[in-house]
Amino acid sequence: NAGVMQNPRHLVRRRGQEARLRCSPMKGHSHVYWYRQLPEEGLKFMVYLQKENIIDESGMPKERFSAEFPKEGPSILRIQQVVRGDSAAYFCASSQYSGTLSYNEQFFGPGTRLTVL
Amino acid sequence: AQKVTQAQTEISVVEKEDVTLDCVYETRDTTYYLFWYKQPPSGELVFLIRRNSFDEQNEISGRYSWNFQKSTSSFNFTITASQVVDSAVYFCALKGGSQGNLIFGKGTKLSVKP
Repeated sequence: NAGVMQNPRHLVRRRGQEARLRCSPMKGHSHVYWYRQLPEEGLKFMVYLQKENIIDESGMPKERFSAEFPKEGPSILRIQQVVRGDSAAYFCASSQYSGTLSYNEQFFGPGTRLTVL
Repeated sequence: AQKVTQAQTEISVVEKEDVTLDCVYETRDTTYYLFWYKQPPSGELVFLIRRNSFDEQNEISGRYSWNFQKSTSSFNFTITASQVVDSAVYFCALKGGSQGNLIFGKGTKLSVKP
């Protein structure tokens, strides 16, 4: 039973380029969460998605960042025109169903380390 | 507002010492969940424990133990007889009953020296 998969594990981009981070949830999981970990900091929530729906994007920067979780395929976190401040580790977590009214365990992927030169 | 505070930024101990990592949380939810994660130098997040707000029983798992006290809004983590392999950053996290995401503290970096 494969865990949450993220790719690439490491991504290097130059300023102004686009970064695409992929997350494949665990089998049977239909909810995905993205978190960002800046250097020397804890994880900060960015966005929570269900298949084809954004449930909560309150932690997402207003510009340049977008996320999707299509009916088929992985969830994608897209960062346009990257800047040095986007350098961070981006973690994805998945859960089986809604986590709002009851606990539902989130399983974390290994993260994607984005470096912007 | 929901918040998790880990006041200890870094702790350094010598092998076999006991060490306690502090975690204080804030929430208005009556139902909530608390977590501890370990992040070793390799960078992945390792789940250690989950506690719900209705269960204040302390828990022990091998050399690890957790002390949950609602009266002080604390969920502290103790490692007994620390080992070099315990060196990592440890995160405390909170999930309120009304939200989907986890709220993390800033982490405590534990260094265990031989």
